[in-house]
Amino acid sequence: EVQLVESGGGLVQPGRSLKLSCVASGFTFNNYWMTWIRQAPGKGLEWVASITNTGGSTYYPDSVKGRFTISRDNAKSTLYLQMNSLRSEDTATYYCTRETIAAISTSGYFDYWGQGVMVTVSS
Amino acid sequence: DIVLTQSPALAVSLGQRATISCRASQSVSISRYNLMHWYQQKPGQQPKLLIYRASNLASGIPARFSGSGSGTDFTLTINPVQADDIATYYCQQSRESPNTFGAGTKLELK
Repeated sequence: EVQLVESGGGLVQPGRSLKLSCVASGFTFNNYWMTWIRQAPGKGLEWVASITNTGGSTYYPDSVKGRFTISRDNAKSTLYLQMNSLRSEDTATYYCTRETIAAISTSGYFDYWGQGVMVTVSS
Repeated sequence: DIVLTQSPALAVSLGQRATISCRASQSVSISRYNLMHWYQQKPGQQPKLLIYRASNLASGIPARFSGSGSGTDFTLTINPVQADDIATYYCQQSRESPNTFGAGTKLELK
């Protein structure tokens, strides 16, 4: 059974940093791209960051580029999201997801999701 | 960025057919691949993949869910609707980066 378990969320002041972790099990971690997706309270879904299966390439939307860093440790089957210079608009539930890529595209669909971890940015 | 437009809400009776639409601001198809995907999210839960590449049923999803479409217009159909299907449904495109999601359609009981 595929499981994705996030941790590391909490309340943080604007401008500070936070690091999320996601431990994966039930599949061969180093065969899959992984992605963080967030959802602000009462709002829709927003892609935050993706990383290739080897960790050799990473991708971000403009809203977090330069502030967030996605990384992975394949030996530990663990995905990370380092979030710096946090803003109030980063307040959201952050989901760790497994991404399946079609050969003809550089992005794919998200077939497994963790339960999510809440990040609140407030003074 | 590719913008995906969904109706905010749809009211349906139990046992009837629900048709949820998603329109893209530009084509999300490449050759025979239609790069549109559908998710279900119930309150307080994480989203769940229902349909990938427009018409492929994800693992463990009941056959009353189906998807269709190509180019810019896509549809998720639930037939017949059951009480457990009351949720918000999101479409997502992977034709080009950034991945984008529709704003969601909330399925409600009539």
